[in-house]
Amino acid sequence: DGGITQSPKYLFRKEGQNVTLSCEQNLNHDAMYWYRQDPGQGLRLIYYSQIVNDFQKGDIAEGYSVSREKKESFPLTVTSAQKNPTAFYLCASSMGAREDTQYFGPGTRLTVL
Amino acid sequence: SQKIEQNSEALNIQEGKTATLTCNYTNYSPAYLQWYRQDPGRGPVFLLLIRENEKEKRKERLKVTFDTTLKQSLFHITASQPADSATYLCALSGGSYIPTFGRGTSLIVHP
Repeated sequence: DGGITQSPKYLFRKEGQNVTLSCEQNLNHDAMYWYRQDPGQGLRLIYYSQIVNDFQKGDIAEGYSVSREKKESFPLTVTSAQKNPTAFYLCASSMGAREDTQYFGPGTRLTVL
Repeated sequence: SQKIEQNSEALNIQEGKTATLTCNYTNYSPAYLQWYRQDPGRGPVFLLLIRENEKEKRKERLKVTFDTTLKQSLFHITASQPADSATYLCALSGGSYIPTFGRGTSLIVHP
């Protein structure tokens, strides 16, 4: 059953701690993305990767880091440098071609206590 | 700067009526436009894609129009059902395949 998974569904973090969100896909997609969604806001692009071992900053990359060591995996680390990390985080993947459509995971809701 | 506008107010309609959602954009020349559906606490799901040289696209009860002169796309759901209640996002793509998403409009269909 192909798809994209994110874990955990809910995550709580104390201020000053780094936390890593998992994203895995078995769709054989080349491109992967991380978005942040706040209430009443659109999806804002954090980072994206078009191929393994390469990634680019999106619109709001400050305070976040990523890696792409495998085609299937694109973990996101929310560092203590991120000032307002409480949000809903969405991972997506796509073929990485023109007229692409994105396939989204179920999301991780991060709350900083 | 590039801007995508979707109604921030929820659209409330009665079951059986046609729902029409609007996506306007400025300072943008999209090659194509997509509509996604998002349910609360879940990831968006792709619905339809329309190219800049297409006026209209249909899929079952869904219809999308794209007017590059008006810089507007309309998304219609005919014979709406309570199960259609969700937030609908439009996304525009220009030269890059990476889309820019609007904030979405919430649709509430009352039985």
